[in-house]
Amino acid sequence: GESVGLHLPTLSVQEGDNSIINCAYSNSASDYFIWYKQESGKGPQFIIDIRSNMDKRQGQRVTVLLNKTVKHLSLQIAATQPGDSAVYFCAENMNAGGTSYGKLTFGQGTILTVHP
Amino acid sequence: DTGVSQDPRHKITKRGQNVTFRCDPISEHNRLYWYRQTLGQGPEFLTYFQNEAQLEKSRLLSNRFSAERPKGSFSTLEIQRTEQGDSAMYLCASSFLLAGGELFFGEGSRLTVL
Repeated sequence: GESVGLHLPTLSVQEGDNSIINCAYSNSASDYFIWYKQESGKGPQFIIDIRSNMDKRQGQRVTVLLNKTVKHLSLQIAATQPGDSAVYFCAENMNAGGTSYGKLTFGQGTILTVHP
Repeated sequence: DTGVSQDPRHKITKRGQNVTFRCDPISEHNRLYWYRQTLGQGPEFLTYFQNEAQLEKSRLLSNRFSAERPKGSFSTLEIQRTEQGDSAMYLCASSFLLAGGELFFGEGSRLTVL
């Protein structure tokens, strides 16, 4: 079936560096693409989403880029902090008959480790 | 605490026993979801409620699994005749009607089947 996947399973950076986490997707019909952060022992936490008709969206210290030509999604974290250490999942929101709801398909995840 | 709460946080059971998990969503959210997550994987969609109506179930949800949301508030997920393959984290999430991609997840109920 169609799926969302990640290029890199682990990423290690120094505090203050910028981080880039990548994701490839295959379902062109998805309405939203989303990034979640999951800390150990906790549920996923929404970071940012982007609608399929956009190519860039910025939040606080984060930017999501969507390249529909190559079906690629990325999350950029500026000035990465130790508190950013977590597993990051990309996900897509299945579009069902024109109505988007929370049936998300998650990728495998990237472990981000930030060294002080 | 006004987040999504799940109970119990941990459950250890023997194969063949029944287990039930409870989820209390954020009170103003009318959509509620159950996901399952195994170690090293992303969450997988199981089922979804809008108010009290169960609108979709994944094929992952075998006939041993049943979910309810009787009054459109809290929800329960029951697994009958548990198998070792049911061992996972069961995550509940809730959202507003027009949420885009933003779901609010609870901290999960971890099930271990011996």
